[in-house]
Order: sequence, then C-alpha cells, then structure tokens
Amino acid sequence: QKEVEQNSGPLSVPEGAIASLNCTYSDRGSQSFFWYRQYSGKSPELIMSIYSNGDKEDGRFTAQLNKASQYVSLLIRDSQPSDSATYLCAVLSGYSTLTFGKGTMLLVSP
Amino acid sequence: GAGVSQSPSNKVTEKGKDVELRCDPISGHTALYWYRQSLGQGLEFLIYFQGNSAPDKSGLPSDRFSAERTGGSVSTLTIQRTQQEDSAVYLCASPRGGEAFFGQGTRLTVV
Repeated sequence: QKEVEQNSGPLSVPEGAIASLNCTYSDRGSQSFFWYRQYSGKSPELIMSIYSNGDKEDGRFTAQLNKASQYVSLLIRDSQPSDSATYLCAVLSGYSTLTFGKGTMLLVSP
Repeated sequence: GAGVSQSPSNKVTEKGKDVELRCDPISGHTALYWYRQSLGQGLEFLIYFQGNSAPDKSGLPSDRFSAERTGGSVSTLTIQRTQQEDSAVYLCASPRGGEAFFGQGTRLTVV
C-alpha cells in the first residue's frame, strides 16, 4: 500500500508570512511529486511538480524534495488570503499510480 | 477539448438505482484517472486507463462499480444499485507525464 502522509492542519499564518507545508511518502521508488491546491467546493489544481532532489521555485512557490528522507515540502512566500485552500501532495509511482495525501488546510489571515 | 469535461455536474439518485458518470478528457491525452472524494476526505483512486485499457482498476470499491473508455477518449463510470455510501464527488483527471488535470467533478447524492 503506497501511502502519502500530510498534517491535516489547519495551518494558520498571517498575511505576508511564509507558509510551510510538508509531506512524506512510503514508496522509495517514487519518481515524480506534485502539489495541488484545492479551494472549497472546487477540483484540485496543479501548482508545482518536482522530479529531482533539491529546490524548484515558481513565483512565490518553492517545492523541495529529499528522496533519501522521502520528504516533499512546499513553501509559499508572502502568503495572501487568496492562498487559503487545502494543499494536496501527490506522488507518482511506477507509470500510473498517482497517490494523493489527504491534504493540509492553509488559512491566511489578513 | 481544451479542458476536462464531466457530466452531469450534479446527480441525485434514489438508493438502488444505476447511475452513469461521463468524462471527456483533454484531446490527445491517452491516460485517464477516476477518483472519488467524500466530504472532507482525500482523493480515493478508483481506476486508471491507458487508451481503452484499464491496467489498474484496483481502487474500484466493489463489483457494483465499472468503467469503460471508448475510442481512447470519453470514459463512463457506472455505479449499479447505488448505496448511500456512494455519495461523493467523482473526479476525472487527464494526465500528461504524471501532471493531472481535473474536471469539475460530478457530485453524486444517493437518497
């Protein structure tokens, strides 16, 4: 059973702060990692993908991957109230097994 | 099409009836996922298609659930003899290299 674990939250941060979201996974052979954002009542939306160890930056978002520790994180700089959503970590194993964590709810207060 | 289209958006059905949910993926994408999301829960994998074949259907919860895909495009998920525990949002995703693009979902309510 491939598992992806996330703290359910909520993670509360003030506007302008850095939000740090974490994820661990069980399948050491996993090769692709994704972060999705899901607003209440909406479908998940892909925001970041990362495939190799280290950091990947895209605007205010930075994804970090450490395969040795089986750990993925997402940093959101200068958090905005519009970033308030549930963030889902997803891991691709093999060619087709895309497993999602249960998500971390982020609340950004003005 | 430009995005993933699912229909209907909402479906209310009586317990014991059969329902069909439809997904029209992004044009040219050969793979397709179905997931289910119950209220306040994470995404539960149901089935994966590559072309018209389903090499991974391990997530289908019971033999009341079936899915097919024709012409490497449209997929239908059929739930027979619906039960109240089948109430959820059913999401279809059209992946490209592991990056999945979701439809708006079908909210199924079994009364």
